[in-house]
Amino acid sequence: QVQLQESGPGLVKPSETLSLTCAVSGVSISSLYWWGWVRQPPGEGLEWIGEIRHSGTTKDNPSLKSRVTVSMDMSKNQFSLRLSSVTAADTAVYYCARRGDCIGGNCYLNYFDYWGQGILVTVSS
Amino acid sequence: DIQMTQSPSSLSASVGDRVTITCRASQDINNYLAWFRQRPGEAPKALIFGASTLESGVPSEFSGSGSGTDFTLTISSLQPGDFATYFCLQYMVYPLTFGGGTKVATK
Repeated sequence: QVQLQESGPGLVKPSETLSLTCAVSGVSISSLYWWGWVRQPPGEGLEWIGEIRHSGTTKDNPSLKSRVTVSMDMSKNQFSLRLSSVTAADTAVYYCARRGDCIGGNCYLNYFDYWGQGILVTVSS
Repeated sequence: DIQMTQSPSSLSASVGDRVTITCRASQDINNYLAWFRQRPGEAPKALIFGASTLESGVPSEFSGSGSGTDFTLTISSLQPGDFATYFCLQYMVYPLTFGGGTKVATK
């Protein structure tokens, strides 16, 4: 059974870097998937942050102005998020999630099919 | 960026009601549209992908339709566990974008 679990500090100071890790079990992160991050500010909607492909290719949301780094550690079967120069606007529940990859030109499976439970990160001094 | 406009933002319904939620994309997304249900305090759960394909294990009371820019999620008979917030997601192009959500509350 595929499971994802976020971990990291729940409180980060303004201007510092937010760092989260997603531990994956039940599937190897070297399999044909994208591994990504989505966040949800309190009482608001969902925002895609960025992701990393099994090959190491990364994509991130331009709205976050190049503050995002997504990386993976195959030996630990986990991937990570770093968000630099945080402000109060970055306070949110952060989810890690798996997304399918295109297979034979069919990309309809590229939606988020497994999610972690989420971790609340508050940015405050 | 592709804007996903979801409506209504909230609605009130009773168990057994038929519920319809719509999502409109700012450009053609070729059916790369998924629907999610999010119960309070929980992660989103996929219901529909490819605009109309039911995720494995999701009950048949849920259905999706539409193409191009206009999409609909229908719950044919609302169950107690369906009082939640629903989101759509376009995954055709980067950046991936979600609709603003529809909260389904008890009438």
